[in-house]
Amino acid sequence: QQQVKQSPQSLIVQKGGISIINCAYENTAFDYFPWYQQFPGKGPALLIAIRPDVSEKKEGRFTISFNKSAKQFSLHIMDSQPGDSATYFCAASMRSWGKFQFGAGTQVVVTP
Amino acid sequence: GAVVSQHPSWVICKSGTSVKIECRSLDFQATTMFWYRQFPKQSLMLMATSNEGSKATYEQGVEKDKFLINHASLTLSTLTVTSAHPEDSSFYICSATPSFRPDTQYFGPGTRLTVL
Repeated sequence: QQQVKQSPQSLIVQKGGISIINCAYENTAFDYFPWYQQFPGKGPALLIAIRPDVSEKKEGRFTISFNKSAKQFSLHIMDSQPGDSATYFCAASMRSWGKFQFGAGTQVVVTP
Repeated sequence: GAVVSQHPSWVICKSGTSVKIECRSLDFQATTMFWYRQFPKQSLMLMATSNEGSKATYEQGVEKDKFLINHASLTLSTLTVTSAHPEDSSFYICSATPSFRPDTQYFGPGTRLTVL
């Protein structure tokens, strides 16, 4: 049972463009939603995270939009750069649970 | 801050041997550590959750006798793959939850295991 569904599977965007990755979750008890960036052969790195009490969080070129009623959240990468080419994973968790439920991942390629 | 290391970064072993992978939180104490397995172009699959001083909790389908986890201190957890076989070849990643941020996980760089 996949509790977090992530789309698209892959994404190609031109340098300077906006990359948008979407995730949908089922369990309304989830209260923490992080995004991770992973380069080939490396471990995931925490990028940005949000709680359901806010609808948007921005850190630099990365923005999370959160829609609690729709049970969806998305990552926007503004002014995409070739160095942003990586696989991005969304996740959902409950503070009382501790474990993360990961999405399937999105491979982003930023062309020069 | 919040740096997690793993050792070794890659290992090749013969079928039937055991391999130990270390996971350390370098600049924080970890209330909980997690072990994941990742196949190429796939998501992270949680294998087990461990807390210092107590037995690990394994996910359904993960053989606890094959993947031994020891959480000896608040900064060190080890995963031992016993009697490794080629199908155990994978990318193993650990993560740690710091006491100062109990809702998140910081990941190690991963260990590439190849069993011949």
